[in-house]
Amino acid sequence: DAKTTQPTSMDCAEGRAANLPCNHSTISGNEYVYWYRQIHSQGPQYIIHGLKNNETNEMASLIITEDRKSSTLILPHATLRDTAVYYCIAMNTGFQKLVFGTGTRLLVSP
Amino acid sequence: DTAVSQTPKYLVTQMGNDKSIKCEQNLGHDTMYWYKQDSKKFLKIMFSYNNKELIINETVPNRFSPKSPDKAHLNLHINSLELGDSAVYFCASSQGTGANTEAFFGQGTRLTVV
Repeated sequence: DAKTTQPTSMDCAEGRAANLPCNHSTISGNEYVYWYRQIHSQGPQYIIHGLKNNETNEMASLIITEDRKSSTLILPHATLRDTAVYYCIAMNTGFQKLVFGTGTRLLVSP
Repeated sequence: DTAVSQTPKYLVTQMGNDKSIKCEQNLGHDTMYWYKQDSKKFLKIMFSYNNKELIINETVPNRFSPKSPDKAHLNLHINSLELGDSAVYFCASSQGTGANTEAFFGQGTRLTVV
């Protein structure tokens, strides 16, 4: 699985969009980009995933660059409850094995 | 109803003891996992079972033995507990084993070995 690189931490004002970047320059053609988050003391929570196309669901949007070497998770209107560690994971189509890095600690402030 | 439930939520025990953590999922998934999150907050996969069959074993000491009596349950038994086993253990499940599927995690079991 490709290695991913994320900023250690980010801040966002409540109500604003939070844009979390992820670099995965060695991603291969069959690797999906996954985003999970972990709110303090809870289990990781799935957010969204994609292969090539941009994706949107009720939680977030995922923008993947055309060369697939990077992606951005967008929380359109961040709330205090979105404060969490966000993990970007590249995973191939074999047996699912989530490899969590250090993630980005997002702090949403009033 | 909780989708993936683990018991107990907290477990404090002495070195050398044997303990079990139970996990149940009511999502009808056929794949279950155990992850370990250490004090530095790194999450690492330990085991994965698909239809009660072990498919991933990530170089975990053989003191750790997962058991899957049926597709909905994956229990983790730990023998001769050591201080370094202190961590939060998460159970998870997914439908299928491929990459195009999401995993659902339980709330974790905080194990403290004293």
